[in-house]
Formats: sequence, structure tokens, C-alpha cells
Amino acid sequence: NAGVTQTPKFRVLKTGQSMTLLCAQDMNHEYMYWYRQDPGMGLRLIHYSVGEGTTAKGEVPDGYNVSRLKKQNFLLGLESAAPSQTSVYFCASSPWGVRAWTEAFFGQGTRLTVV
Amino acid sequence: AQSVTQLGSHVSVSEGALVLLRCNYSSSVPPYLFWYVQYPNQGLQLLLKYTSAATLVKGINGFEAEFKKSETSFHLTKPSAHMRDAAEYFCAVSLPINAGGTSYGKLTFGQGTILTVHP
Repeated sequence: NAGVTQTPKFRVLKTGQSMTLLCAQDMNHEYMYWYRQDPGMGLRLIHYSVGEGTTAKGEVPDGYNVSRLKKQNFLLGLESAAPSQTSVYFCASSPWGVRAWTEAFFGQGTRLTVV
Repeated sequence: AQSVTQLGSHVSVSEGALVLLRCNYSSSVPPYLFWYVQYPNQGLQLLLKYTSAATLVKGINGFEAEFKKSETSFHLTKPSAHMRDAAEYFCAVSLPINAGGTSYGKLTFGQGTILTVHP
């Protein structure tokens, strides 16, 4: 019963490098999200998806791109990493429906450091 | 748009004492409200949620929260703190589907409150 799985769990990047964070869910959820967590700022929404093939911008999308080619996977890309992107990244998923949306399920997080 | 304010970035209590973590929200329509807990180096776990049913919501680990529309608050309480309750707690808000726009299905989080429990 995996739930939401994030890969990798830790990563150190040099400024200007690129990388992709992978999120996979096995609950057949329609909605998926990427958040970043910074001290004193809570979690802020980067991008989200309301279904396979869809993506939308959240609160802090600059410097990130996403793709949802398969329903179960949601990828977050950093094309040219900057120190300001040092953060803990969380993926989440939730079911869809008039009464179905009542909570989101979170992965364990990816701790990214950009030096 | 909706927003959440958690009063107090750090709260410290003694073991056995009352825990009170404050959350106030701003929303154009009656929202859904949530409390999540994050233990060190872990993801977020749902403690409890309010989705327009009973205003007093009971969650896991002995926590409960009361939705007060007149005060736009959703404070989290536990009668007796335990050492294992030490964690960071997040209040979050979302809007129901009949709110319209693009807010449905998205969580907006507060800044978080770190709870320390002393022996």
C-alpha cells in the first residue's frame, strides 16, 4: 500500500543544473500537486494537475515545469537550478468529485539543496 | 481567494498540559478546513478535517478542533499533551466545488506552528 511515492528523497545540485523530481501515486487519484516547504512559510503550491494531460500554475510556479503524461505520475522539473530553489518538495494527490474531495495525501518529501 | 493565519510559530507546553494551536481563515464562502501534522523528516499526515458537517471535529491522537464561523477560526486542541505530540502542525483551507473559479481541490496552508512538549 504505497500511497504517494517521491523520488529521489535527497539531492544536491549545482547552480544551473537541471533535474526532475518524480511523484507516483497508486490510489487512482485525479488531482496531483507539487508544494515546496520553506521555514516559516508553510507549504506553497507550485503547480497542480486536475487529470492526465493537464497542468496548471499554483502560487509559486516560476523556475519550474511539470508534466502529467500518465495519471499515476506527476513530474516536477527544474531547468536551471538556483539557490532560491533550495527547499523541501512535497507531492500530494487527492480524489475528485463533488463530495470526494476532502483531503490530500502527501509523499515523504524530497530535500533539495542547490549550491 | 482563501488564506490561513496561524498565530504563533512556536508553542511550548509541559507534558500533560492543554495544547491550543490557533488558526484563523479568510474565505469568500464557507470553506473546508484541515489540520495536518508533520513529524521530523516526514511527510504530512491528516489530523482532522471540517467539511460542513459537525462544527466540533475529532481527529486522531486525541486532537479536536471547533469551526467557529463568527470568529473565522478553527483552533486545534488536545486536553493533555504527550511527548510524542512534538511536531509541526499546519492548518489548511480549501473551497468546495460550488465556490466556483479554480480554487476547488487546492489546499492553502498556514505558516505552521512548531509544538514543543517538555517533560
